Amino acid sequence: EVQLVESGGGLVQPGGSLRLSCAASGFTFSTYAIHWVRQAPGKGLEYVSAISGNGGSTYYANSVKGRFTISRDNSKNTVYLQMGSLRAEDMAVYYCARDRSGGSGIRYCFDYWGQGILVTVSS
Amino acid sequence: DIQMTQSPSSLSASVGDRVTITCQASQDISNYLNWYQQKPGKAPKLLIYDASNLETGVPSRFSGSGSGTDFTFTISSLQPEDIATYFCQQYDNLPPTFGPGTKVDI
Repeated sequence: EVQLVESGGGLVQPGGSLRLSCAASGFTFSTYAIHWVRQAPGKGLEYVSAISGNGGSTYYANSVKGRFTISRDNSKNTVYLQMGSLRAEDMAVYYCARDRSGGSGIRYCFDYWGQGILVTVSS
Repeated sequence: DIQMTQSPSSLSASVGDRVTITCQASQDISNYLNWYQQKPGKAPKLLIYDASNLETGVPSRFSGSGSGTDFTFTISSLQPEDIATYFCQQYDNLPPTFGPGTKVDI
C-alpha cells in the first residue's frame, strides 16, 4: 500500500525556518517524482515544489523560489522541504504527493497524497 | 500562470441526481487536466487524469470530458459519499494550477 506521511510542521515566527519531511512506503521510491502542494486554511490548493525521482530535477513556484529548497534521500525514502524566510502567507497545510508517472520525468499529476501537516507562521 | 475557473462554486443536489461541474482554462491546455475530490479534513484524491481517464479504483459514476480550454466533470448518480469539494488542475504549463473548487452538498 502506497503511503506518504508528512512531519515537521508546527508554529514558527515570521522570518523563521522549518523543515518538512515526507516519508514514503509501499512503492519503489526512487522512480517517482514527489511534489509539495499547500492549502491555506479555508482556501484552495497551491502548488509549491517538485523533485524528480533521482533528485536531479527540481521545480519551485515563484512564490517560494529562493526561500524553499526541496531535496530527497532515496536511501531513507524521504523527501524534505526546507522552508526559510517564512511569511504569514506561507501558513497552510502542506501535502506531499506522488507523481502519477514513474520514471525519470515529472508529470505533475498527483495520484497519492499524504495526510498533510500544518505550518503556522505567527509571532 | 494559467488561470483555472470552475462553475458553479457550490451546488446542492439530491441522491441519484446527475451533477455537472465545468472548468475553464485561460489558454489552451490540450487534455492536461486532472480532477480531484477533497473531503473535509482530508487530502485530495485523484479521480480523473488527462481530462477523461478514470483513475484506478474510482467508481464509474465519475467521468470527465473536454479539451483545449473547456472541460466537464460529471457524477452520473450522486451518492451520499460524494459530498466533497472538487478541484480541476492543469499541468500543460508550469506552475500547475488548480481551480478554486466546487463544493457539492446534498
